[in-house]
Amino acid sequence: DIQMTQSPSSLSASVGDRVTITCRASQGISNSLAWYQQKPGKAPKLLLYAASRLESGVPSRFSGSGSGTAYTLTISSLQPEDFATYYCQQYYSTLTWTFGQGTKVEV
Amino acid sequence: QVQLVQSGAEVRKPGASVKVSCKASGYTFTSYGISWVRQAPGQGLKWMGWVSANNGNTNYAQKLQGRVTMTTDTSTSTAYMELRSLRSDDTAVYYCARGFYGSWADYWGQGTLVTVSS
Repeated sequence: DIQMTQSPSSLSASVGDRVTITCRASQGISNSLAWYQQKPGKAPKLLLYAASRLESGVPSRFSGSGSGTAYTLTISSLQPEDFATYYCQQYYSTLTWTFGQGTKVEV
Repeated sequence: QVQLVQSGAEVRKPGASVKVSCKASGYTFTSYGISWVRQAPGQGLKWMGWVSANNGNTNYAQKLQGRVTMTTDTSTSTAYMELRSLRSDDTAVYYCARGFYGSWADYWGQGTLVTVSS
């Protein structure tokens, strides 16, 4: 199975900060990577897919990049509503999905 | 608009079974697969498996093989996830999501809390 390692597991930031979260796959996943945002008590929400494609309706301050085994999610200017937990997910495997362990963004 | 609406919270004793439903609307049900993801209290997301709404083909996480069954009813656009021989560590919120192999989860159900306790 493909393993996904996310870092950091948590971070403290302030409104207006630039935030970067990293996700590393145990093997190349050819940009088959999605990012989700989850707020407490809510279902995850898709932010990006194919590593860098923004889902419709998601603010442009969210962006994704990377290739091979290393990918990043960047929030260019953190807003109050962005305090949440973020997960990466690989869908390269034809058999399984794997999620990273999550990154909690807090004040 | 696409919606996935799940059944309500359940409480079960160890050794029992639970069946969670996920009713889809706003799209052609048979054009997509449905995946199930669970989240134990305070923990991350864990993929459980998927079912094709087109032909009923399934693929399950190895850890759950033999205890889980995922099905669909195309007449009602509803997906089901049944988990048997429940243990306390099956206590979690269970989510259905649209999408399966080779794709991402673009829509999610609201989640169903399953509590396993004696």
